[in-house]
Amino acid sequence: GAVVSQHPSWVICKSGTSVKIECRSLDFQATTMFWYRQFPKQSLMLMATSNEGSKATYEQGVEKDKFLINHASLTLSTLTVTSAHPEDSSFYICSASRAGGEAFFGQGTRLTVV
Amino acid sequence: GQQLNQSPQSMFIQEGEDVSMNCTSSSIFNTWLWYKQDPGEGPVLLIALYKAGELTSNGRLTAQFGITRKDSFLNISASIPSDVGIYFCAGLAGGTSYGKLTFGQGTILTVHP
Repeated sequence: GAVVSQHPSWVICKSGTSVKIECRSLDFQATTMFWYRQFPKQSLMLMATSNEGSKATYEQGVEKDKFLINHASLTLSTLTVTSAHPEDSSFYICSASRAGGEAFFGQGTRLTVV
Repeated sequence: GQQLNQSPQSMFIQEGEDVSMNCTSSSIFNTWLWYKQDPGEGPVLLIALYKAGELTSNGRLTAQFGITRKDSFLNISASIPSDVGIYFCAGLAGGTSYGKLTFGQGTILTVHP
């Protein structure tokens, strides 16, 4: 299967700081990438669709100014959690889709805001 | 947003037993995908189904794309301890929603040695 690499795998930050998470498709080009948030023992909740070269499309209820998404190239999308607060602590996962439609996921990033 | 109805929510089985889980939807999907997620990791694709009625195997795993395109099941035969994890079904509608998956709630599988 295709490889999607997400970095970092975990991060601890102080309240009020910003954190950037990277998502790279290593062996294929991804016009579209997706960012999810997951709470313990729950399903993945789609936050936004990241489109290369254009603005991200956010799901209802997701603050675009808080979760900044940049998709600068066909292999890289970044999610920046701005002015993080403890309630932003969660597991964030990205995915990238190939032409066949299958989505491949990154390893996830465990964010803890203290 | 829309979710698929996945059942059961959790299963506790003995090693060697077979497992079955399924997903249903009120909407039609063009592609059904089954993923497994280990703790602290991202989901890993197990099986992808592209045609209604399709039955696909991957080792001890077998999945089928329902003929109505509104359901799918996943079977695991002769379970082993490393099968433990959360299994998700996902549907892909296609068209303008390219790559945008709709997920089931997940099935938490526990296998006792």
